[in-house]
Amino acid sequence: NAGVTQTPKFRVLKTGQSMTLLCAQDMNHEYMYWYRQDPGMGLRLIHYSVGEGTTAKGEVPDGYNVSRLKKQNFLLGLESAAPSQTSVYFCASSPLPPNIQYFGAGTRLSVL
Amino acid sequence: GDSVTQMEGPVTLSEEAFLTINCTYTATGYPSLFWYVQYPGEGLQLLLKATKADDKGSNKGFEATYRKETTSFHLEKGSVQVSDSAVYFCALRRDNFNKFYFGSGTKLNVKP
Repeated sequence: NAGVTQTPKFRVLKTGQSMTLLCAQDMNHEYMYWYRQDPGMGLRLIHYSVGEGTTAKGEVPDGYNVSRLKKQNFLLGLESAAPSQTSVYFCASSPLPPNIQYFGAGTRLSVL
Repeated sequence: GDSVTQMEGPVTLSEEAFLTINCTYTATGYPSLFWYVQYPGEGLQLLLKATKADDKGSNKGFEATYRKETTSFHLEKGSVQVSDSAVYFCALRRDNFNKFYFGSGTKLNVKP
């Protein structure tokens, strides 16, 4: 019962470093999403994908890139990390139609 | 644009007290409405949902009724337990749209 798996769980970066967060789902879901969670602001959508090979911008896409080369994986990249990207990142997936989202356990990222 | 507004937290209750967490929304058309719960250190998980006006979603003793006339979806539970301590998120998704919109979350603390 893996569901949605995020790696890594924790990461500390220095300003300007790059990294990739991996999200993997084993439920054959079409839709996948990346959110960031900040205190008092709830979840904000960064990017999402409605199928393999497709991506779209969400509410706060600046400073992030994504790729969905395989249906089960959705990668979130930070090319040049900034302290403002310190946050908890959640991945989610949804079947068709997207009436429910299944979330991973999150990645806590600190940028110093 | 679409948005969800939740009451500010934290909410602190004694065990067996009655719980209400207010949620109102702004959206065109007829969105589906959701409550998600996040336990400490975990991702969000669906608590209940309603897809049309006057529907009542229920799960684990929690209930919420979709009120189109007041654009609300308030979460209630008659008798809370310590194990209900978590952060609760209200969310919406418009029909034929792929994105979810989340409120800022309300933290519930239940004391024994």
